[in-house]
Amino acid sequence: DAGITQSPRHKVTETGTPVTLRCHQTENHRYMYWYRQDPGHGLRLIHYSYGVKDTDKGEVSDGYSVSRSKTEDFLLTLESATSSQTSVYFCAISESAPEGQPQHFGDGTRLSIL
Amino acid sequence: GENVEQHPSTLSVQEGDSAVIKCTYSDSASNYFPWYKQELGKRPQLIIDIRSNVGEKKDQRIAVTLNKTAKHFSLHITETQPEDSAVYFCAVSPSGNTGKLIFGQGTTLQVKP
Repeated sequence: DAGITQSPRHKVTETGTPVTLRCHQTENHRYMYWYRQDPGHGLRLIHYSYGVKDTDKGEVSDGYSVSRSKTEDFLLTLESATSSQTSVYFCAISESAPEGQPQHFGDGTRLSIL
Repeated sequence: GENVEQHPSTLSVQEGDSAVIKCTYSDSASNYFPWYKQELGKRPQLIIDIRSNVGEKKDQRIAVTLNKTAKHFSLHITETQPEDSAVYFCAVSPSGNTGKLIFGQGTTLQVKP
């Protein structure tokens, strides 16, 4: 399995609080991604990174920000958590290539916003 | 942007039967098409993938076929077993060097013993 660690694995917090999720990889892959998974919606891309300090928005980026100060770490922050952000969050990584490459996923973070 | 539709949303088969899941996409320049299997409470795991210059790829009991003209690709599982029960997702890599994947909505496959 790809060396991807997500932390925390579970979190319960209250509406309005900031939350930061961490994704750490040991594969030295260039690309990193944050997804959320909700019933009936599959996996939806929140933000992604194509290098240190290089990030871009995905299809559901409102209310989320990201940072990547080192190749191995990609942080997802919910600036002011809302109940609609209750979800399972997955981090994924892939190598750089001109064509598409497989993404490998972490074990996920189950986040509940009360 | 790219749009991916996956059907059916649920599929129930008897052990030993075949299962087929189909995905359609909108961007004719898309070039990479992976399939993921996700067991309950687990991470999605890549099971097979195909590139736009190939029409079919097989790995033991699973195969993927790609029809670029019609813009659809399908996952075929033969001789299904109870351990094949899971949610299956197709994905499409749109044109452009972003590495992004756009996922289908998922198919819940139940294999009844």
